[in-house]
Amino acid sequence: NAGVTQTPKFQVLKTGQSMTLQCAQDMNHEYMSWYRQDPGMGLRLIHYSVGAGITDQGEVPNGYNVSRSTTEDFPLRLLSAAPSQTSVYFCASTPGGSYEQYFGPGTRLTVT
Amino acid sequence: EDQVTQSPEALRLQEGESSSLNCSYTVSGLRGLFWYRQDPGKGPEFLFTLYSAGEEKEKERLKATLTKKESFLHITAPKPEDSATYLCAVRRNTDKLIFGTGTRLQVFP
Repeated sequence: NAGVTQTPKFQVLKTGQSMTLQCAQDMNHEYMSWYRQDPGMGLRLIHYSVGAGITDQGEVPNGYNVSRSTTEDFPLRLLSAAPSQTSVYFCASTPGGSYEQYFGPGTRLTVT
Repeated sequence: EDQVTQSPEALRLQEGESSSLNCSYTVSGLRGLFWYRQDPGKGPEFLFTLYSAGEEKEKERLKATLTKKESFLHITAPKPEDSATYLCAVRRNTDKLIFGTGTRLQVFP
């Protein structure tokens, strides 16, 4: 099993550009989520999904969109990048009935 | 307001020098407390889940304990490979976790 994979590992965007961060898991986990991690702040939940076709907002959803068309994939879209979105983004998956989250390696995003 | 606070922010230990990391929380309806380890440039790695006061979990040199207001991660005779940031998170009576900012541990030979 590859576990949770994320692409790209690094990305630089200009203000106003859009992009999609990819996340995939091969463990057949129902629950997937996106976090951002900033210096001096804990991991903050952006969006999450409890299964294919079902998504909901987390703590900091503004400026981001998600969809979940399959169990395996949970992409995160930045609609119009802003410098405030410079961060490290982590995707995580969780098997149903558990809250033990399995994290991907992260994507480091810089918006200039 | 629900809050998770970890202390200290950073801790430097000599190899073999035991110590404890603290995670205090004010959360209504606690449904679990989680410890993760994060190495530089990597995603957090799950260590323990604790559900009720008095519960303890152990893994190698690490032992996690839980009271009604805080959790401790005890590190016994640490080695340099234990150097990492240790994150604490709590689950409320929802599906969401609240993370602390972590304790950065450095163990020197």
